[in-house]
Amino acid sequence: RKEVEQDPGPFNVPEGATVAFNCTYSNSASQSFFWYRQDCRKEPKLLMSVYSSGNEDGRFTAQLNRASQYISLLIRDSKLSDSATYLCAVDTGTASKLTFGTGTRLQVTL
Amino acid sequence: DVKVTQSSRYLVKRTGEKVFLECVQDMDHENMFWYRQDPGLGLRLIYFSYDVKMKEKGDIPEGYSVSREKKERFSLILESASTNQTSMYLCASSSVAGAGTQYFGPGTRLTVL
Repeated sequence: RKEVEQDPGPFNVPEGATVAFNCTYSNSASQSFFWYRQDCRKEPKLLMSVYSSGNEDGRFTAQLNRASQYISLLIRDSKLSDSATYLCAVDTGTASKLTFGTGTRLQVTL
Repeated sequence: DVKVTQSSRYLVKRTGEKVFLECVQDMDHENMFWYRQDPGLGLRLIYFSYDVKMKEKGDIPEGYSVSREKKERFSLILESASTNQTSMYLCASSSVAGAGTQYFGPGTRLTVL
């Protein structure tokens, strides 16, 4: 089983739609979780951290389910500019290393 | 504003050549990382460094070495480039305090012929 798994997509959604991605992780000792966004031919950038109680940043909501070992990202009212690949990242429990998922591609269309 | 720079955006080398990829960060971060990113395989950690002159192997260190002589600079070396090292190489840095937030450079697309 991969350490961090994501559905590669693509998820094709119309503007205004709500879309959710999940990411499962295998290391039950992981404590820190993140979502990164990567635009085509660009570097990944931190979108948001995922806190135990769940957290929201505008149209984006991140949640953690420790029992089932997954994190989720919900995007409401999708915009064309949300089209990107979303990478989840989980700490490895060692130093400051993260393990990244392979990413889920989102395409928002008119 | 946080900045991580990489020496080249695109690089073409021949099999057997020694290749140097340089990464510089201006944030006084302790941690620096080298990843390669390939379609379907995602970001894979090659090496990381948590202090000057300190380095640790990542998941795929074979065929690579690194150097960190100064805090701001982390170099990736391909001792003898091979075609299977054709990839996008991404450098990142993070502070100890904010370890989950890695700042990435723009990447170097390396092609080995």
